[in-house]
Amino acid sequence: DSGVTQTPKHLITATGQRVTLRCSPRSGDLSVYWYQQSLDQGLQFLIQYYNGEERAKGNILERFSAQQFPDLHSELNLSSLELGDSALYFCASSAGQGGDTQYFGPGTRLTVL
Amino acid sequence: AQKITQTQPGMFVQEKEAVTLDCTYDTSDQSYGLFWYKQPSSGEMIFLIYQGSYDEQNATEGRYSLNFQKARKSANLVISASQLGDSAMYFCAMRETYFGNEKLTFGTGTRLTIIP
Repeated sequence: DSGVTQTPKHLITATGQRVTLRCSPRSGDLSVYWYQQSLDQGLQFLIQYYNGEERAKGNILERFSAQQFPDLHSELNLSSLELGDSALYFCASSAGQGGDTQYFGPGTRLTVL
Repeated sequence: AQKITQTQPGMFVQEKEAVTLDCTYDTSDQSYGLFWYKQPSSGEMIFLIYQGSYDEQNATEGRYSLNFQKARKSANLVISASQLGDSAMYFCAMRETYFGNEKLTFGTGTRLTIIP
C-alpha cells in the first residue's frame, strides 16, 4: 500500500458525459501528479500540482482539468468524454516539488461506452 | 525531449533464475533520475528502485538491483532469484525536473512471466 488513495476504483459512463476522479496523497506529500495509461498511448504524464499550484503540464487535453485543494487532495475532471478517453488514470504523490520518488495510487479505471 | 526505450516486450524466466530487464534512455540533461516500477495484473504501480545520475554506486533494494551504465545510457533492472510473484509488467521511467516542475517519462514496459 503506497498510502495514495484514489476513488472511485472503477467508473463506467457514456460519451459526452463528465466525470471527476479524486486523489488523496500520502500524508505529508505536497506534490500530486496525474497520469493516463491507455493501450495505444502507454503511460503519459498529464499534470503536476504542488501545494495547490499548477506546475508541470504534459499531454493534457483541453477537455481535462485538475485542481489541488487546501487539504492537498486533488481532483481530475474529464468532460465531453470520448471513447478514446477510456484508460487507467493514476495519481501519484511526492514529498516536495521535485527530486523525490513518486508513489502511485491504485488507479481509477474509466470506461466510456 | 527525453526518451525511454524498453526493447523486450515480453520475457519468460524459470523460477529462481536471475533476470535482467533492459532500459536505455536519451537525455541531454546532466541531472536526472531513473526509476523502475512494477505493475501486477491488479493494476497498481509499485515503486521498486531509484538511481540518480550522480550516484556512483548502483542502487540495490533487496532482490532488485539497477545496473547503471551512464556512458551507454542504460539502466537495466536485475532481479535475483526470481519468484512467481515477480510476474508482472515492469516499467522504466526517467524523471525530468526543472524549477520545481517535474514529470516522469515511461518506457513501453516489459511483461515478465516466471515459469514454475
